[in-house]
Amino acid sequence: NAGVTQTPKFQVLKTGQSMTLQCAQDMNHNSMYWYRQDPGMGLRLIYYSASEGTTDKGEVPNGYNVSRLNKREFSLRLESAAPSQTSVYFCASSEARLGQPQHFGDGTRLSIL
Amino acid sequence: GENVEQHPSTLSVQEGDSAVIKCTYSDSASNYFPWYKQELGKRPQLIIDIRSNVGEKKDQRIAVTLNKTAKHFSLHITETQPEDSAVYFCAADPPGGNQFYFGTGTSLTVIP
Repeated sequence: NAGVTQTPKFQVLKTGQSMTLQCAQDMNHNSMYWYRQDPGMGLRLIYYSASEGTTDKGEVPNGYNVSRLNKREFSLRLESAAPSQTSVYFCASSEARLGQPQHFGDGTRLSIL
Repeated sequence: GENVEQHPSTLSVQEGDSAVIKCTYSDSASNYFPWYKQELGKRPQLIIDIRSNVGEKKDQRIAVTLNKTAKHFSLHITETQPEDSAVYFCAADPPGGNQFYFGTGTSLTVIP
């Protein structure tokens, strides 16, 4: 039981390049989330998927897109990377959207040059 | 929307002393309050949570208290150990919202 698995763990991109961050969970959770974490700003929600087939914007969605591929997988895409998107990205999942603990992956450290 | 404020931003204690971190929230409908611990370079991990129908919850050296009237909840760590050193985040989950609202974190250092 691996929990939430994110790939890759580290990535360096040039401005304007595109990239997809992958996330998979094996806990049969319905809801999945993408956060970014920047120094002094805590965790900010980018997008979430309350259930398979649905996605919604969070607090900071600009510059990102997501795909809920199936119940297990939720990917985050940067179409044209910008230096402001340099951050640590965490994927999380929970059994349901409301009132349930979220379980986090190990994170992807992304640098945009 | 919900607004969660967390204090203090940094906290240093001597090993064996207690540590208290406080969070306030604005949405009185919020009914689920988790606490996460994040060690340097690691993932946030749930350490304890409380629901609005409970005033206090304990798990060994960790406890959380909730005051719904005042809209604040606190994390209490007793007999602190060096391995308790980490950043701690509180969160509130309002039923009418679409997300957890996290505090900005407290960096706890336990001095041996």
